[in-house]
Amino acid sequence: QVQLVESGGGVVQPGGSLRLSCAASGFTFSSYGMHWVRQAPGKGLEWVAFIRYDGSNKYYADSVKGRFTISRDNSKNTLYLQMNSLRAEDTAVYYCAKDIGIDTMVQTWGQGTLVTVSS
Amino acid sequence: QSVLTQPPSASGTPGQRVTISCSGSSSNIGSNYVYWYQQLPGTAPKLLIYRNNQRPSGVPDRFSGSKSGTSASLAISGLRSEDEADYYCAAWDDSLSGPAVFGGGTQLTVL
Repeated sequence: QVQLVESGGGVVQPGGSLRLSCAASGFTFSSYGMHWVRQAPGKGLEWVAFIRYDGSNKYYADSVKGRFTISRDNSKNTLYLQMNSLRAEDTAVYYCAKDIGIDTMVQTWGQGTLVTVSS
Repeated sequence: QSVLTQPPSASGTPGQRVTISCSGSSSNIGSNYVYWYQQLPGTAPKLLIYRNNQRPSGVPDRFSGSKSGTSASLAISGLRSEDEADYYCAAWDDSLSGPAVFGGGTQLTVL
């Protein structure tokens, strides 16, 4: 079955950088778009970024545009999120998610990795 | 402030039917499919309904979705204690820079 395993979360100071990874298995990774979605502590879901199956197009929420970069390595079945200029409001659990394919919407979620931005 | 509006809470007793609303606009719900997700306490979300009213395999038929104009609803019939969770609607928004927008979520309590 589909498995998505995030890693790379942790504590970082404001203004710092962090790179999240998501190892995918159980499906043909190179055939599906992928998302990052985050959830601040005690808050709702916020879509962050999307990348098409071949990396040809990328989309970002306005709140992270210019600071975050989504990328993928189809040879390694891995999705990435490079996060720069981190702010306190970026503190959240970050979920890697597989696109449903028929629409650009989330189908399957990973378990998430916690990013804490604090001095 | 979420682009899609949901009531923050809902409740019902076992066996009851409850509905959760999701209100949007012509650029999201009005012109695109609605998705619903269930998030049990302490876990990752799970897809519950796709394309307004379709259930993925494994989702009980107690869960149903509907859409009318710029609003959508999730109905849960025969409410069970294990349905206690947060529920989120989502849709593509044509006016924004990115694909998906979520509702603020509805916390369902089974009394």
